[in-house]
Amino acid sequence: ETGVTQTPRHLVMGMTNKKSLKCEQHLGHNAMYWYKQSAKKPLELMFVYNFKEQTENNSVPSRFSPECPNSSHLFLHLHTLQPEDSALYLCASSQVAGLQETQYFGPGTRLLVL
Amino acid sequence: GQQVMQIPQYQHVQEGEDFTTYCNSSTTLSNIQWYKQRPGGHPVFLIQLVKSGEVKKQKRLTFQFGEAKKNSSLHITATQTTDVGTYFCAARVNSGGSNYKLTFGKGTLLTVNP
Repeated sequence: ETGVTQTPRHLVMGMTNKKSLKCEQHLGHNAMYWYKQSAKKPLELMFVYNFKEQTENNSVPSRFSPECPNSSHLFLHLHTLQPEDSALYLCASSQVAGLQETQYFGPGTRLLVL
Repeated sequence: GQQVMQIPQYQHVQEGEDFTTYCNSSTTLSNIQWYKQRPGGHPVFLIQLVKSGEVKKQKRLTFQFGEAKKNSSLHITATQTTDVGTYFCAARVNSGGSNYKLTFGKGTLLTVNP
């Protein structure tokens, strides 16, 4: 399954570091998503982009900053994170058409904040 | 807001036993989807149900959409160790005004004892 790729696959960072997660979809979809998945709160939707426009921000702290330069690429910029931000960050894409939508997930970036 | 409730949270079975996970909503759903996430993996789309009372089968997996389109179930007959993972239901729910988003249940983690 290579429709949605994410890099890096693993990331360890200190609380003062700045890093970026990258997602690329090769499916021609019009929407992209960032999810956070941790042991305590599985699959939390963070951000939604439709046609490069952010349509949803689920009360995500400002230390997470998304960027969607085009419909195929999505970034998540990280700065001054906290240890509780350690989780699996999943990117997904979908072709939204009315009420029909199937999300295709990337393999995720497993993030550890020290 | 609208939510998709999923039970049980965990289920441990002996290999060969059956398994069922249930998904419920307080409102009528246009459709419902099921995803599977293997340990260490990412969610993968399994199936979508659209019609009231719809039943679909994939080998040992049986998916059902309730008559009122407010609940759904996934039943696995004679579980195998390859069935291990977390099963999520997901549905498009109203997130405010005319906006809809794909909302995931919290998932059911299935473990199988060989």
